[in-house]
Amino acid sequence: DTAVSQTPKYLVTQMGNDKSIKCEQNLGHDTMYWYKQDSKKFLKIMFSYNNKELIINETVPNRFSPKSPDKAHLNLHINSLELGDSAVYFCASSQDAPDLGVLTFGAGSRLTVL
Amino acid sequence: GQNIDQPTEMTATEGAIVQINCTYQTSGFNGLFWYQQHAGEAPTFLSYNVLDGLEEKGRFSSFLSRSKGYSYLLLKELQMKDSASYLCAVRDSNYQLIWGAGTKLIIKP
Repeated sequence: DTAVSQTPKYLVTQMGNDKSIKCEQNLGHDTMYWYKQDSKKFLKIMFSYNNKELIINETVPNRFSPKSPDKAHLNLHINSLELGDSAVYFCASSQDAPDLGVLTFGAGSRLTVL
Repeated sequence: GQNIDQPTEMTATEGAIVQINCTYQTSGFNGLFWYQQHAGEAPTFLSYNVLDGLEEKGRFSSFLSRSKGYSYLLLKELQMKDSASYLCAVRDSNYQLIWGAGTKLIIKP
């Protein structure tokens, strides 16, 4: 009955590889997000997406790309992984206004790039 | 630029009360949110303020002053399980969430 589920929970890979993290929500929410939380625990928005609009944080390298096959899924693809990509990646979802801001997060995917 | 400030770390005693402050400077304001994040887990929603004043939810209360760009989260009757990071986030005029770096709260017996 997990509301927001993401896989894999742990991912260890070599520099230069391409990897994907999957996310699914069963809450019927309109908007989904990807966040990056680095070692200093600061949450940084990477993307937000609903069926109308993709908003990209301009600081995100174009090696990162979101793919949404449908409203309940938002996957994250990362090309040419770098050491600095090591972090915990959280998927989240929310209803549209007025509840934008009340996010339900997935458990996180810890990515380690060697 | 947009900025949210919170103390990096606080320590309190089990059974006591602690207040975690958050000040913000954002382009517009459409609500302030508090989240709790236990180590190694996902953030979970705690409270939401959009009007000035105090919102109470059991042992947790959150206060907002929009004119001062200030909020606090008040935790009463502290329990060991309250040891966690507390994240303040503000929704700006574009309805984007701006996050603080979080306050790590350590509860001692």
